[in-house]
Amino acid sequence: GESVGLHLPTLSVQEGDNSIINCAYSNSASDYFIWYKQESGKGPQFIIDIRSNMDKRQGQRVTVLLNKTVKHLSLQIAATQPGDSAVYFCAEKRSGGGADGLTFGKGTHLIIQP
Amino acid sequence: DAGVTQSPTHLIKTRGQHVTLRCSPISGHKSVSWYQQVLGQGPQFIFQYYEKEERGRGNFPDRFSARQFPNYSSELNVNALLLGDSALYLCASSPFGRGSYNEQFFGPGTRLTVL
Repeated sequence: GESVGLHLPTLSVQEGDNSIINCAYSNSASDYFIWYKQESGKGPQFIIDIRSNMDKRQGQRVTVLLNKTVKHLSLQIAATQPGDSAVYFCAEKRSGGGADGLTFGKGTHLIIQP
Repeated sequence: DAGVTQSPTHLIKTRGQHVTLRCSPISGHKSVSWYQQVLGQGPQFIFQYYEKEERGRGNFPDRFSARQFPNYSSELNVNALLLGDSALYLCASSPFGRGSYNEQFFGPGTRLTVL
């Protein structure tokens, strides 16, 4: 079936380095993408989102890139900090229909090394 | 301002029992969605309710049901529990029924363990 997936289950980076987390999606009808951060014992926390009519969006220390040609989404975190350690999920929402149910990928565990 | 709240925090049930999980959305939000997150996986969409009506349902059996009250809070009910229902159940609220940038804010979840 159609799904959103991630390339790497675990990503280890040095504190201060930039992190790039990747995501592949398969449904070309998806029109809205979101990155969530989930810390242990907590619910997912919104990081940044992007619509399908954009290819880049920037937030504070984070940038999301969307490549619709290859159905690829990435999250860039600048100057990673210990507090960035978490599991990161990409999620998609498909256009049309009556509901806003999100389809999540399996997640990437980001580990920050001192 | 209070975020999304869920109760209880943890719950242990045995196979065959039923369970009711509760969610209070952010004040002013009219839409509530429920997700199931099995350990090591991403959340899976179960239901969305908007203005007390079901707006969408994911691929879950009829043992799962939900409702939304006039104050926009919501309950998720699961009957005839199976071991595989053990998961973190997440509630998310959003201001509107649908649309891009209709950001979903998640609660901390209810951890359900079925023995």
